Amino acid sequence: GAVVSQHPSRVICKSGTSVKIECRSLDFQATTMFWYRQFPKKSLMLMATSNEGSKATYEQGVEKDKFLINHASLTLSTLTVTSAHPEDSSFYICSARENLGQGRTEAFFGQGTRLTVV
Amino acid sequence: AQKITQTQPGMFVQEKEAVTLDCTYDTSDPSYGLFWYKQPSSGEMIFLIYQGSYDQQNATEGRYSLNFQKARKSANLVISASQLGDSAMYFCAGRGSTLGRLYFGRGTQLTVWP
Repeated sequence: GAVVSQHPSRVICKSGTSVKIECRSLDFQATTMFWYRQFPKKSLMLMATSNEGSKATYEQGVEKDKFLINHASLTLSTLTVTSAHPEDSSFYICSARENLGQGRTEAFFGQGTRLTVV
Repeated sequence: AQKITQTQPGMFVQEKEAVTLDCTYDTSDPSYGLFWYKQPSSGEMIFLIYQGSYDQQNATEGRYSLNFQKARKSANLVISASQLGDSAMYFCAGRGSTLGRLYFGRGTQLTVWP
């Protein structure tokens, strides 16, 4: 399958600082990427859909000014957690959609980023 | 939108035995896909198997097979010959026609014991 690289895998930051997480599709172009958040022992919750060259679409209840998403190229989307607080501590995981032709698409996941805000 | 239901928070199986993880779905999309992912403690999401709503045959991938019953709206994952390394969280996910986003179930924690 295709490869999606997410960086960093772990990050610890101080409360009030900002953290940027990168999601790269290494061997395919992804016009659409998805950002999920996962609390311990819980399911993945979609935060936003990132579209290359346009504004991200945020799910209800997700603060767009808090979680800034930039999808500047066909292989890179970034999620910036601004003014992080301890309650933002979570596992963030991205997925990139690959068009396989004939109307078929596939979604591949990055390795995830474990964010701890202290 | 889709709703994915996994009713088994945890399952236990002995090594080399088969296990079935349940998943039911509810969607209004005429065309949809169903996925199973494995998430070990490291957190990565590992794709296991996919079933398209129009696929005639049940999907199989090695030791994984999907028992797709459209009338019952179920897409259960069957793992044959369980291995200790199969211990992980398993998520069922559905995808409709909108943008390709996935809707996830709550997951089932599978524990394989010797």
